[in-house]
Amino acid sequence: EVQLVESGGGLVPPGGSLRLSCAASGVSISSYWMQWVRQAPGKGLVWVSRSNSDGSSVAYADSVKGRFTISRDNAKNTLYLQLNSLRAEDTAFYYCATYNFGHGFFDNWGRGTLVTVSS
Amino acid sequence: DIVMTQTPLSSPVNPGQPASISCRSSQSLVHSHGSTYLSWLQQRPGQPPRPLIYKISNRFSGVPDRFSGSGAGTDFTLKISRVEAEDVGDYYCVQATQFPYTFGQGTKLEI
Repeated sequence: EVQLVESGGGLVPPGGSLRLSCAASGVSISSYWMQWVRQAPGKGLVWVSRSNSDGSSVAYADSVKGRFTISRDNAKNTLYLQLNSLRAEDTAFYYCATYNFGHGFFDNWGRGTLVTVSS
Repeated sequence: DIVMTQTPLSSPVNPGQPASISCRSSQSLVHSHGSTYLSWLQQRPGQPPRPLIYKISNRFSGVPDRFSGSGAGTDFTLKISRVEAEDVGDYYCVQATQFPYTFGQGTKLEI
């Protein structure tokens, strides 16, 4: 069974930083493009970032470009998201997901970790 | 960016009755190599999203056959043939044909 477990969320003041982790089991993330998607409380889903299978190609939503950094350690089977210069509007649940490249959809999701940006 | 527009935003239904959700994209979702990367997600209350349908009409593993997807180009539909209580939640369409990936705003299915 595939499991993705996010961690690292919490309460942080505006301008602060956090590092989110997504630990995978039951699947080798080295075979997958990996994604981060966020959801503000009570709101819809928004794509944040993606990494190809070896981390050599990454991309970001315009709203987080220059502030967030996606990375991965395939040996540890873990995906990361470094969040810097956080703003109130970054408050959300952050989900990691595997991306099925052949069929173009997000096929496994973690339960998410909540990031709250507030003073 | 491709804008995904879902209708309705809220859909009250009775158990055993059908339900239908529409998703329209601002541009064609047909990729240059011919596939259409339109999928549907279900998010039950307090749960993460889970995949239902991929490439317009393919059911993900374990998804009941009362769920079906259809459409082409810019217009897509998710249908539930007979709604059950466990189907309560939010439904999202998402396109992966063009970067950045974009989601519909969600449709709340209520019983």
